[in-house]
Parts: sequence; structure tokens; C-alpha cells
Amino acid sequence: DAGVTQSPTHLIKTRGQQVTLRCSPKSGHDTVSWYQQALGQGPQFIFQYYEEEERQRGNFPDRFSGHQFPNYSSELNVNALLLGDSALYLCASSLGQLKIEETQYFGPGTRLLVL
Amino acid sequence: GDSVTQMEGPVTLSEEAFLTINCTYTATGYPSLFWYVQYPGEGLQLLLKATKADDKGSNKGFEATYRKETTSFHLEKGSVQVSDSAVYFCALSGQALGRLYFGRGTQLTVWP
Repeated sequence: DAGVTQSPTHLIKTRGQQVTLRCSPKSGHDTVSWYQQALGQGPQFIFQYYEEEERQRGNFPDRFSGHQFPNYSSELNVNALLLGDSALYLCASSLGQLKIEETQYFGPGTRLLVL
Repeated sequence: GDSVTQMEGPVTLSEEAFLTINCTYTATGYPSLFWYVQYPGEGLQLLLKATKADDKGSNKGFEATYRKETTSFHLEKGSVQVSDSAVYFCALSGQALGRLYFGRGTQLTVWP
């Protein structure tokens, strides 16, 4: 049973550039959430996608956008990169019905370095 | 709003020592509580969870009890191993369904 996969594993960009990160959810899952984990911090919620629409959003600027495809995979796009965007970006998948007890399963992450 | 406060690290223990990592939370209503573990260079793995007051989550010798009266979900293990060295995150899922709130993480190092 394939777990959550993410690509690429590492990425180096320069300020002002744009980046796209990709995520495939765990088999059977239809919801994808994205988190940003700065060095030495806990993950911060960016947004969640379900049925190809953004269902919830955390406190991140519009430079952060996403997309979900019919096969439930997802992309995270970040425009006009800033040095502070350097972080580990984690994708998590879960089942669609919103329940407090629902478990999210995380991928290995994409480490983004902005120079 | 919802939040999680986790004991500051790092924590350094000898093998077979007793482990406690404190976690307290602030939330409206009845959140679900989770412990995730992150090994070096990897993503997060679910360690255990509890979904209602007085529930005890357990896995791989780790335990945590959901205490509503003290708004706590402390992680414990009776005898740690070198392989338990990792960063541990406490998290909650509350009224903002589908969104997890994480603590800052506690780095655990176990020496042989």
C-alpha cells in the first residue's frame, strides 16, 4: 500500500522565482493538506484541498496557491519566493469527510532552500 | 484560538530511562489529540492518538492519556531505546476540522 509521496525531495531557488511542489495521497484518500515546517518549528497549516477545491486556508499570503487534480494528487505553488519561504513542505492526506478524529498521514516532505 | 504548548527540549536520556514529554492544549469544545514523531531527514509519522477525554492512546511502548481537566496529553514511555531518538510533536484537531495545530516539537536523544 503506497503511502503519501512527494516530489522533488530537495529544491534550491533564488528570491523572486516561482516553485511547484507535488504530492500524491495515500491510496484511498481524497483530501490533501499542505504544511510548512520552518527549521526548529512545528508544521504550520497552509491549506487543504478536497474535490479539487480549496476547503480551508491557514494564515499564508496569496503567493501560496494550490491545485488538486481528479486523481486526488495535488500541487503547491509559491510565487515571488522570499528567503523566509525556506522550509520543509509537508503534504498530508486523509479521507474527505471532515471529522475531528480523522488522522492525517504525512509524506517525507520537500526541502526548499531560497537563496 | 486553538493551540498546543509543548515542553522545551532537547531531552537527553540514557537507554532504559523513563520518558515524559509534556503537552498542554487550548481549544474550544472537544478536540482530538495526536503525537507524531519525526526521524532525522523524514516526514511525520503518527505515533498515537486519543479522541475523547480519558482515552489512552498507545503504540510501540509509548502512551498518552487525554486529560480534559488539566488540558494535557503528556507522552510517556517506561524504557526508551536508542532507536527512539527523534523529534516528537504534539498536535490537536479542533473546531477547524481538517486542520492540525502543532507544538514546536521536542528533540529526544537517547544514549546507549
